[in-house]
Amino acid sequence: DIVMTQSPDSLAASLGERATINCKSSQSVLYNSNNKNNLAWYQQKPGQPPKLLIYWASTRESGVPDRFSGSGSGTDFTLTISSLQAEDVAVYYCQQYYNTPWTFGQGTKVEI
Amino acid sequence: QVQLQESGPGLVKPSETLSLTCSVSGDSISSYYWSWIRQPPGKGLEWIGYIYYSGSTNYSPSLKSRVTISVDTSKNQFSLKLSSVTAADTAVYYCARVHGYFQHWGQGTLVTVSS
Repeated sequence: DIVMTQSPDSLAASLGERATINCKSSQSVLYNSNNKNNLAWYQQKPGQPPKLLIYWASTRESGVPDRFSGSGSGTDFTLTISSLQAEDVAVYYCQQYYNTPWTFGQGTKVEI
Repeated sequence: QVQLQESGPGLVKPSETLSLTCSVSGDSISSYYWSWIRQPPGKGLEWIGYIYYSGSTNYSPSLKSRVTISVDTSKNQFSLKLSSVTAADTAVYYCARVHGYFQHWGQGTLVTVSS
């Protein structure tokens, strides 16, 4: 199984500040055939299902604010919230879909 | 806009079989892959398995011996059965439409395993 490890486990930042979450996979999730990283990011607010933010490591899902961005390749990835808003308080998860079993990081809690 | 809705008993006794159904609206189930994911209270997400409309499946090895996912294209639904449940199977169970990543999710249903 590919193990996904996120850091930090939690972070607190002020409104308008930049927040950065890291995700490391135990093996590369880059498909050489299409040069795409099989890595997604989700946001989960209390009592709600996860919401897809980013797929292919850097493609923003339709309707997701552009303050959310994804970067990285191979085994190291980053989700950046460029200007933290009150509604961004949530737990964020990364997920690899390179190999089954598809696996998630343990989550990062973002607070204001 | 595709919508998914989980349904099934919220309480299951230990050693019995958990059964859930996901009803899909706004999209034909005869496209894409469809998946089940679960989340124990206060914990992270665990992928259970997926099914294609043709019936082909792929299960997490950690649950493979106890899991069956099936599809009913006539009802636009797919289902989960998890046998021999224990308290460790207590979780919110989500269904989702899959592209490898999980694009659309149901609201989830809490299943508690308790006598």
